[in-house]
Amino acid sequence: GAVVSQHPSWVICKSGTSVKIECRSLDFQATTMFWYRQFPKQSLMLMATSNEGSKATYEQGVEKDKFLINHASLTLSTLTVTSAHPEDSSFYICSAPGLAGHEQYFGPGTRLTVT
Amino acid sequence: AQKITQTQPGMFVQEKEAVTLDCTYDTSDPSYGLFWYKQPSSGEMIFLIYQGSYDQQNATEGRYSLNFQKARKSANLVISASQLGDSAMYFCAMRRIQGAQKLVFGQGTRLTINP
Repeated sequence: GAVVSQHPSWVICKSGTSVKIECRSLDFQATTMFWYRQFPKQSLMLMATSNEGSKATYEQGVEKDKFLINHASLTLSTLTVTSAHPEDSSFYICSAPGLAGHEQYFGPGTRLTVT
Repeated sequence: AQKITQTQPGMFVQEKEAVTLDCTYDTSDPSYGLFWYKQPSSGEMIFLIYQGSYDQQNATEGRYSLNFQKARKSANLVISASQLGDSAMYFCAMRRIQGAQKLVFGQGTRLTINP
């Protein structure tokens, strides 16, 4: 089946720094990718929809200036957490819909810890 | 707006028994898809089963079946002959068939299989 990768799988950064997370579709093209955030013992919450060649669509309550999304190609979307704070520590997961049917392919996730 | 409700925060089941995980949903969309995902401690999202709102028959995938009751807006997951490896978080999710393919997740149920 289709594969979505994320890099890095985990990252520790200091408060105030920025962190970039990559999401790649390895064997298919994705004009749309989704970024989710999952706090410990909670569900996945959609942060934004990444659209290739256009601006991302953010969910209500998500700061677009803090979570920068760039979908520069049909296989790569990046999420940059700017000026990270400890409360941004979370598990970030991306997904991409398949080309046909109802498939939704998830990346393995990135665990961010801000100290 | 779409909403998914999972009312069982945790379930404990003896190995080899069947288990039903509850999921109810609310939507005004005429056509939609319902999903179940398994999330082990590693964090990866594993797709289990899909049910389209217009599918006449309940979906089945190996030991997984989806008890779809459209009038009651419920989409319960049934796991037959549970195994120790089934211990994980389970999420019910839905999305529109037309338009945005983003998933809305329920709160999740932590399933523990006891030997």
